[in-house]
Amino acid sequence: AQSVAQPEDQVNVAEGNPLTVKCTYSVSGNPYLFWYVQYPNRGLQFLLKYITGDNLVKGSYGFEAEFNKSQTSFHLKKPSALVSDSALYFCAVRDGNGGFKTIFGAGTRLFVKA
Amino acid sequence: NAGVTQTPKFQVLKTGQSMTLQCAQDMNHEYMSWYRQDPGMGLRLIHYSVGAGITDQGEVPNGYNVSRSTTEDFPLRLLSAAPSQTSVYFCASSEPGQGDEKLFFGSGTQLSVL
Repeated sequence: AQSVAQPEDQVNVAEGNPLTVKCTYSVSGNPYLFWYVQYPNRGLQFLLKYITGDNLVKGSYGFEAEFNKSQTSFHLKKPSALVSDSALYFCAVRDGNGGFKTIFGAGTRLFVKA
Repeated sequence: NAGVTQTPKFQVLKTGQSMTLQCAQDMNHEYMSWYRQDPGMGLRLIHYSVGAGITDQGEVPNGYNVSRSTTEDFPLRLLSAAPSQTSVYFCASSEPGQGDEKLFFGSGTQLSVL
């Protein structure tokens, strides 16, 4: 069975500072990893994915994430946070070896203070 | 370009009532799924389908039924609503294995069971 852990319920950063939202995963096959964002009173939007290739993947709105196979992690990062980045962030995993289910973590709420 | 359409957006039920949440997509995606979102618990997979006539259980299937008679539609049925089913429900679709692995989400249905 696959699972995702987001160890922080909430992350607080000051605008302009770098941000990291942590994610670790467990899957039996090759991991397909995703980050999604949910802004207040809105649906879920795709940010970025890792399927294969470079461990550092870049996505929307200046976000990037680093795949670390040995640590089974896929942390979301941004060099300089904006107040508008404040939202709920979800990490998700799918088993790339023929699996179809995408399992999500519990989410991390990001607050960026001006 | 409609994408994934969910109806209704809001619903209030009494305990024991039944209802169907509708989900339709116009992207010819084979994979469709239902999630529920609860505070602190993230998105939990209820049921999913990999094509017409094929459905399977997710993480929290009890109390819900699904069917997939067409590629476009994937309704979720609550047979006898319970207060524990108060949640926000999201339908999602994707086309795994075609290079675009991300999930496309509907706008959600907010369900309250009294």
